Amino acid sequence: AQSVAQPEDQVNVAEGNPLTVKCTYSVSGNPYLFWYVQYPNRGLQFLLKYITGDNLVKGSYGFEAEFNKSQTSFHLKKPSALVSDSALYFCAVRDKGYNKLIFGAGTRLAVHP
Amino acid sequence: KAGVTQTPRYLIKTRGQQVTLSCSPISGHRSVSWYQQTPGQGLQFLFEYFSETQRNKGNFPGRFSGRQFSNSRSEMNVSTLELGDSALYLCASSSLGASGNTIYFGEGSWLTVV
Repeated sequence: AQSVAQPEDQVNVAEGNPLTVKCTYSVSGNPYLFWYVQYPNRGLQFLLKYITGDNLVKGSYGFEAEFNKSQTSFHLKKPSALVSDSALYFCAVRDKGYNKLIFGAGTRLAVHP
Repeated sequence: KAGVTQTPRYLIKTRGQQVTLSCSPISGHRSVSWYQQTPGQGLQFLFEYFSETQRNKGNFPGRFSGRQFSNSRSEMNVSTLELGDSALYLCASSSLGASGNTIYFGEGSWLTVV
């Protein structure tokens, strides 16, 4: 069965510092991986995805993610955090053949001024 | 291009009642899926519809049902509401049946059962 793990419930970072939100996955075959962000009382906003190709994927709002097949990881990164990046971040893997996402538990990112 | 639209955004129901939530996908998207988000269980897949057919279903009781219309709009229904059904219900749409297409989400419908 496919699964995603986000080992950190919360990540705290100072504004201007780099941030990393961790995600590991367990799938059979090649994974389709996604990152979404959720602001308070809002739906999910798509940030980026990895399907194939370059291991470094660039997405919205300056975010990027690095796909590492040997470590089965897909960590979300940003070189310089903003207070406005504070939100709930979800990593997800797509169930093959369907438009079904399997989500991690989510990581709350808090960026302090 | 309009995004995924969900109605109503907020609603309060009493235990035992039923509720119907509506979703209009992005224009041209034929796949619609539904998710339940709760603090305890996180994001859980309910079901997916593609071209009016249910293709996949999550592990929810039969009280949860859905349908898709010929214009790709979808509705989900929850009958005999329980307190535990209080959640954010998210609808998502995608253009094709599978592969790497992005899945886009709506703002959700907040259901409170009292």
